Amino acid sequence: GDSVTQMEGPVTLSEEAFLTINCTYTATGYPSLFWYVQYPGEGLQLLLKATKADDKGSNKGFEATYRKETTSFHLEKGSVQVSDSAVYFCALSDQGKGMRFGAGTRLTVKP
Amino acid sequence: NAGVTQTPKFRVLKTGQSMTLLCAQDMNHEYMYWYRQDPGMGLRLIHYSVGEGTTAKGEVPDGYNVSRLKKQNFLLGLESAAPSQTSVYFCASSSRTGGVSDTEAFFGQGTRLTVV
Repeated sequence: GDSVTQMEGPVTLSEEAFLTINCTYTATGYPSLFWYVQYPGEGLQLLLKATKADDKGSNKGFEATYRKETTSFHLEKGSVQVSDSAVYFCALSDQGKGMRFGAGTRLTVKP
Repeated sequence: NAGVTQTPKFRVLKTGQSMTLLCAQDMNHEYMYWYRQDPGMGLRLIHYSVGEGTTAKGEVPDGYNVSRLKKQNFLLGLESAAPSQTSVYFCASSSRTGGVSDTEAFFGQGTRLTVV
């Protein structure tokens, strides 16, 4: 079945550093791809999404490009802030069956 | 606008006890889901529903039952709790899934369940 593999953490960066969290997927069809963020004690919130190949999702300085040829959807941010500390989940839509999530990557940004 | 509301937020059960988790959404979404979140395993789909009166099994359905008697509510039941069901449970809803125009899933705040 469809699945998502994402870079294991935890990831610790200094403020203003460049962030990349890798995500690759396996799917039989053409799923939509998502990045969700979870802050401590909260539920998941959508960060960005892309619905077809070569689409770029972006939000709050984060970006990810849907790469069909490499089946990837890597999350990037040019300059992280302490407030970006959270757990990040890559996900794909499994048609008619809800979303499949990666294991999550914990990001800690130090001042 | 409350979005997705889960009750209770915390619960401790003894092995063999039963309980029901309630999820309510006020966005008129057709689809609703129950996930469990365990360390290092991301979110795994337990059961889902594509509309009132319908339910289906997800990745890890054993030991759980669900009901969707009203469009806005999705109940998750544990008939005989086991320590392996200690987890954080999330409910989510969406207006559509599959196809080109996927919409996002909205999540509740979670229920932390401990089975001792």
